[in-house]
Amino acid sequence: EPEVTQTPSHQVTQMGQEVILRCVPISNHLYFYWYRQILGQKVEFLVSFYNNEISEKSEIFDDQFSVERPDGSNFTLKIRSTKLEDSAMYFCASSMGANTGELFFGEGSRLTVL
Amino acid sequence: EDQVTQSPEALRLQEGESSSLNCSYTVSGLRGLFWYRQDPGKGPEFLFTLYSAGEEKEKERLKATLTKKESFLHITAPKPEDSATYLCAVRSDYGQNFVFGPGTRLSVLP
Repeated sequence: EPEVTQTPSHQVTQMGQEVILRCVPISNHLYFYWYRQILGQKVEFLVSFYNNEISEKSEIFDDQFSVERPDGSNFTLKIRSTKLEDSAMYFCASSMGANTGELFFGEGSRLTVL
Repeated sequence: EDQVTQSPEALRLQEGESSSLNCSYTVSGLRGLFWYRQDPGKGPEFLFTLYSAGEEKEKERLKATLTKKESFLHITAPKPEDSATYLCAVRSDYGQNFVFGPGTRLSVLP
């Protein structure tokens, strides 16, 4: 069964360092997303991406964050200068279309900022 | 602003003891309501999509229903392997974003 894959599964970094989280969405999906979940809290929307551009972003997704689809398969989230409060589980998700609903999530990348 | 609340926050059941989880939502034009299961340290796993009031979906011991303001996830004769956090999410007609509720943490004791 097709699945969303994410790497790394866990990354530890120092405050102020740049981090890149990688995702391979399901191959025939067109919409890509990043969500995050701080330990014990809700799943929060960061950004959606369609047709090689950001289609929507939340207030969390400030200038420190960027996304890219560098080739036909990868989708990346970059955090330029990490803060302690960026520590969270980051989930990549994809869906087939705007009206065909369901998101399929990866297993997540746990980011720990020290 | 789209909002989702879920109750109860946590629920402990004995194996075989049926119950229901609630998801209440406010959204400007519902495009879909989604139920997910999340195991600790894992990504949410898709369960159901509901699109309009009166719709019902079933899968094994789970049944999801939808009204204009809330959705219920009914669990019939649960087993310990049903223990997980159950998340509800909505998507409005006006955006790409899925708004998630805080979840209900279900524990089923043998």
